[in-house]
Amino acid sequence: GQNIDQPTEMTATEGAIVQINCTYQTSGFNGLFWYQQHAGEAPTFLSYNVLDGLEEKGRFSSFLSRSKGYSYLLLKELQMKDSASYLCAVLDSNYQLIWGAGTKLIIKP
Amino acid sequence: EAQVTQNPRYLITVTGKKLTVTCSQNMNHEYMSWYRQDPGLGLRQIYYSMNVEVTDKGDVPEGYKVSRKEKRNFPLILESPSPNQTSLYFCASSSGVEGNQPQHFGDGTRLSIL
Repeated sequence: GQNIDQPTEMTATEGAIVQINCTYQTSGFNGLFWYQQHAGEAPTFLSYNVLDGLEEKGRFSSFLSRSKGYSYLLLKELQMKDSASYLCAVLDSNYQLIWGAGTKLIIKP
Repeated sequence: EAQVTQNPRYLITVTGKKLTVTCSQNMNHEYMSWYRQDPGLGLRQIYYSMNVEVTDKGDVPEGYKVSRKEKRNFPLILESPSPNQTSLYFCASSSGVEGNQPQHFGDGTRLSIL
């Protein structure tokens, strides 16, 4: 079966750095997405990786290793507004999105 | 403003009373999709549509119907709702499914079936 694993919840301190991991086992691979979802709101797109390596976008970076079936989202200089759930999703060989259950990130002052 | 609009945002209804949740996008996107989101389970796809008059089942299609008569609209129909369909529903659209084409989500519809 297809599976995406993320930690359920993480806690970090304002101003610090946090890394949210995602491991996947899917039928084929056509890219990996990260979305941010604030409580009660719609998911919003953060990043897309299809090749191995690090993609940097301001305070957020996303890394992919296809051989290991692994990705992480790195958030720097954490702000209170970064408190949200972070969803990892993989596009499989049929171009269907397989979603992880999400990681709830709690930022403490 | 580019957006996906869902209605209603909230609905409390009773078992067996047919309901429709509308979804409309103004981005001329070909691909549209419906998800339900339940605690601890993440987003699960109900139905999707690659283009007008083309719809396919997702992971959890039982108890739902959809139609795609026009490009911009993709309503979700619950013919005979049951309590296990109580959930948060999201409609999403994208310009395609290949490559870096992220999905744009509506604000969500919270359904409670009593």
